[in-house]
Amino acid sequence: RKEVEQDPGPFNVPEGATVAFNCTYSNSASQSFFWYRQDCRKEPKLLMSVYSSGNEDGRFTAQLNRASQYISLLIRDSKLSDSATYLCVVKDSNYQLIWGAGTKLIIKP
Amino acid sequence: EADIYQTPRYLVIGTGKKITLECSQTMGHDKMYWYQQDPGMELHLIHYSYGVNSTEKGDLSSESTVSRIRTEHFPLTLESARPSHTSQYLCASSESDFGNEQFFGPGTRLTVL
Repeated sequence: RKEVEQDPGPFNVPEGATVAFNCTYSNSASQSFFWYRQDCRKEPKLLMSVYSSGNEDGRFTAQLNRASQYISLLIRDSKLSDSATYLCVVKDSNYQLIWGAGTKLIIKP
Repeated sequence: EADIYQTPRYLVIGTGKKITLECSQTMGHDKMYWYQQDPGMELHLIHYSYGVNSTEKGDLSSESTVSRIRTEHFPLTLESARPSHTSQYLCASSESDFGNEQFFGPGTRLTVL
């Protein structure tokens, strides 16, 4: 079982819709959590950190559920430019970053 | 926009050749990393550095080596390239510990024939 698991998708979503996807992690001692965005054939870029209380940045909301060991990302009013692969990243108890393989999102006009 | 650079962007090379992938950053970051990523797959950490003269192996076994003689420069060398080394190599840097944001270079797409 992988330490960080994501549904690879693709999620095909019409423009303007709300979409959400989860990421599960296996190590209950994991300390920090992040969502990165990676465009096709580009480098990853930090989208947002995920705090215990959850956090919101514009149309993006990230939540952490420690009891069930997953984090989620919700995108409201999706735009064509949101099309990308979203990478879940977990900092484990050894301070190493463990990367998920990503969820591919395609926003259709 | 992150100031981290990688050269070459694309490299096609024959088996057995020695290659060096260059990575440099102008942000003064202490921490630097090398990742390997195959299409549709997760990033795997192959090397990292806490600062000058520090190099550590990551979680993915790799036949490559790295050096960190200057803060801004973190080259990766393959002594003898093989087809199994075909992949994308991403260099990154961060300010302090692993929890802080990592800034990535554009990557080197390596093909070994």
